[in-house]
Amino acid sequence: AQKVTQAQTEISVVEKEDVTLDCVYETRDTTYYLFWYKQPPSGELVFLIRRNSFDEQNEISGRYSWNFQKSTSSFNFTITASQVVDSAVYFCALSEAGNSGGSNYKLTFGKGTLLTVNP
Amino acid sequence: KAGVTQTPRYLIKTRGQQVTLSCSPISGHRSVSWYQQTPGQGLQFLFEYFSETQRNKGNFPGRFSGRQFSNSRSEMNVSTLELGDSALYLCASSLALGTLNTEAFFGQGTRLTVV
Repeated sequence: AQKVTQAQTEISVVEKEDVTLDCVYETRDTTYYLFWYKQPPSGELVFLIRRNSFDEQNEISGRYSWNFQKSTSSFNFTITASQVVDSAVYFCALSEAGNSGGSNYKLTFGKGTLLTVNP
Repeated sequence: KAGVTQTPRYLIKTRGQQVTLSCSPISGHRSVSWYQQTPGQGLQFLFEYFSETQRNKGNFPGRFSGRQFSNSRSEMNVSTLELGDSALYLCASSLALGTLNTEAFFGQGTRLTVV
């Protein structure tokens, strides 16, 4: 069965600090997808990134970067020069391809990390 | 283009009642999935619909059910409400079932309170 662990329940930083959110996953599938979502106080989950299991290339998008390492089953998320607007709960999620080559669209979420960026 | 729309945003019900929540996916999206979010259990998958058929179901009792209409809009129903059903219910739409190259876009959720 799949599982996602976000060991950091809460992180508090001062604006302009860099912060890394950890995500460790478990799956028996060789084909799977990893995601990060942001949940601001409004409640809506905002999609940040999707990565498939065959693409270990790190990605950078503005102040956001992601480090995917299959060897350690980790998919960590770094915010550079954090801002107050980054304050939110961040979720890492896993979706397995399933037996039908991709017909199992079900996200397994971690418990989330509450990031507070103080001015 | 319009995002995922969930109605109502807030709901208060009494134990034993039943409730229906609605979700309109992004235009062109055919897959709709539902999640329950509680402080204790976090985000848990309820079920997923594609082309009016339930394709996946999470570990929830039969009191939780859903359906999808021909226009891809979806409803979920909870019967015989219990206090523990109080949660934020999130709906997500994605372009196509089986195409895991697409991400799921979430609505703002319906916050259900059972008293």
